[in-house]
Amino acid sequence: NAGVMQNPRHLVRRRGQEARLRCSPMKGHSHVYWYRQLPEEGLKFMVYLQKENIIDESGMPKERFSAEFPKEGPSILRIQQVVRGDSAAYFCASSPTVGVSSYNSPLHFGNGTRLTVT
Amino acid sequence: AQTVTQSQPEMSVQEAETVTLSCTYDTSENNYYLFWYKQPPSRQMILVIRQEAYKQQNATENRFSVNFQKAAKSFSLKISDSQLGDTAMYFCAFMGTIGGAQKLVFGQGTRLTINP
Repeated sequence: NAGVMQNPRHLVRRRGQEARLRCSPMKGHSHVYWYRQLPEEGLKFMVYLQKENIIDESGMPKERFSAEFPKEGPSILRIQQVVRGDSAAYFCASSPTVGVSSYNSPLHFGNGTRLTVT
Repeated sequence: AQTVTQSQPEMSVQEAETVTLSCTYDTSENNYYLFWYKQPPSRQMILVIRQEAYKQQNATENRFSVNFQKAAKSFSLKISDSQLGDTAMYFCAFMGTIGGAQKLVFGQGTRLTINP
C-alpha cells in the first residue's frame, strides 16, 4: 500500500510564476491536509479538504493560494505569482475518516515538496 | 485557539544517555490526542508515539515514553539509551476537534543531536 505521494520533490520557480504542488493520498483516504514548513520552524496548518469540499482553509493566505481535491485525481495546492517568502517545504497528509474512530489513525504524511522561489 | 509550545530549540546528548524533550499545550477541550513526530534530514515526518487524553497511563514505544500530565497540560518525550539514528527534529503535536474540523497543531520543534 503506497503511502502519501507528493510531487514534485523539488520545485524551483521565478518570482511571479505559478507553482502547482500535487498530493495523492493513501489508498482509501478521503481527507487531505496541507501544511507549510518554513526553514527551522514547525509545520503550519494551511487547509483541510475532503473530496470536492474545502472543510477548513483558515491557515491559507487569502490571496494567491488555492487548493482543491477533485473527485478524481490528486489534491492540488496552487500558488500564483510566487514571491520569495513562499519558499518553504509544503507537506501533504491524509487520513481515512473523521470522527472518534479516526483518533486512532494519525495523519500519514508525504515527504513534502520543497519550493524555492528565485 | 489551541497552541503547542516546545521551549527547547536545541538539545544535545551523548550516545546511550537518556534525554527528555518538553512540550506544553493549551486547549479547552477534554477529548484530544497528543503526538510526537520525528523529522530526520530526509524531511520525512515519522510518528514516534501518541497519547489519548482520556488514558491516564503513559504511552510507551520501545525506547520512547511520554510523561503526560493532563492537569498541567504537559506532554514530554523521554528517549532512553539514545542512538545516533535518533538525531532529528522532534515535533510535539495536538489533535482535537477544532471548529468541527480535525487537524494537527504542531510545536516549533526541538533539534536533537546525539553525539558519538
